[in-house]
Order: sequence, then C-alpha cells, then structure tokens
Amino acid sequence: AQSVTQPDIHITVSEGASLELRCNYSYGATPYLFWYVQSPGQGLQLLLKYFSGDTLVQGIKGFEAEFKRSQSSFNLRKPSVHWSDAAEYFCAVGAPGFQKLVFGTGTRLLVSP
Amino acid sequence: DTEVTQTPKHLVMGMTNKKSLKCEQHMGHRAMYWYKQKAKKPPELMFVYSYEKLSINESVPSRFSPECPNSSLLNLHLHALQPEDSALYLCASSQASGANTDTQYFGPGTRLTVL
Repeated sequence: AQSVTQPDIHITVSEGASLELRCNYSYGATPYLFWYVQSPGQGLQLLLKYFSGDTLVQGIKGFEAEFKRSQSSFNLRKPSVHWSDAAEYFCAVGAPGFQKLVFGTGTRLLVSP
Repeated sequence: DTEVTQTPKHLVMGMTNKKSLKCEQHMGHRAMYWYKQKAKKPPELMFVYSYEKLSINESVPSRFSPECPNSSLLNLHLHALQPEDSALYLCASSQASGANTDTQYFGPGTRLTVL
C-alpha cells in the first residue's frame, strides 16, 4: 500500500526567500505524485504532477518539484516566496490503475514580511 | 477549464434534517469523488463514481448517501447526521482513463455544520 510522509507540520519563510517542502512516499513501483495547495476554507488546487519522464516538473505559480527515486522523495520548491503563497500544501501519491489518492498530512506555510 | 462547482458554500443543519450537497463539472470527466476534510487534516476519500456507477465506498455510514444522476452531476444526501460530521466536504472529478491514476480536480467545498 502507498503512504506519504510530510515531515514538516509547518514552515515559516521570509517573503522573497526560497522554499522547499519535503515529501517522502512509500510505494513498490513508480508512483504518480501530486502537489496540491489549499488556502483556508477553500478547495485543493493542483500545483503540479509527476507521472513519468523528466524528473524535474514545473507547475503553476512558479513552483517546481523533483522526483528522486533513490530517496523516494518528491520535494516542492520555489525560488522566491510571495505572501500569497501562505497556505496548506499537500503531497499525494497514486497507484497506476487505481482511483485512490493517498495524501500526506500537509505542511502549513507561513510567510513573514 | 478545470472548474468543479459545489453548492451550497455553507450549510448548517440539525441532526434530524435532510439536506443535499451538489457538485457539478463540465470537463467531460467520467469519475467523480466525495471527500471529507476535518480541520488541519488531509482529505479523506468517501465515495468514487466511475461512469455513473459507484466504484468505491470507503465504509461510510449510511446517513451519507451519494447519487450520480448523470456524468456531470454528483450529489451527497445527508440525513440524521451527528455533530462530528461537521467538516468541509470536497468534490473532485477526473477523466477516468482507466490505466492511470487520473489527475483529480477539486471544487471549493461545502462547509457543513451539524448542530
């Protein structure tokens, strides 16, 4: 069965600084990996996804993520954080042929002035 | 357009009431999902419909009753709920291409409060 770990419950970053949110997954084969963002009281917005191919994936809002099979990781990065990036970020893993997504527990990003 | 709409945005109901949540998508997706999300937790899958047939029920209590009248619409009928059912209810849809885990697109959610 798949599982996802997001080791950081919350992270505070200064506006303009770089960001990296960690995600580690457990799955026997090549997983399908997703990052979603959720603002308070809102739905989830897809930032980016990895199915296969280039291990560096570009997403919306200037985010990117790198799939590292050897480390079972799919970390999310942004070179310069904006105050509007403050939100909850969820990493999720799916298995080919199955409709279920397994979500991590989320990382809350706080952006300081 | 990757929009999933949900109505109502907020709902307050008593434990004896009957209410329904509605979800709609016009992306031609053939899989639709209901999730429940408690505060500071990730979404929990409740139901999946694939080609208008219920394909996954995550052992959800019978006081929650899903319905998929057509490929664009998904309802969640609520009856005799408990206060602990108060949560954000999220709808999502995906293409249901079969071979892959499709990308799920989420709606804004319905904030449900049970008194």
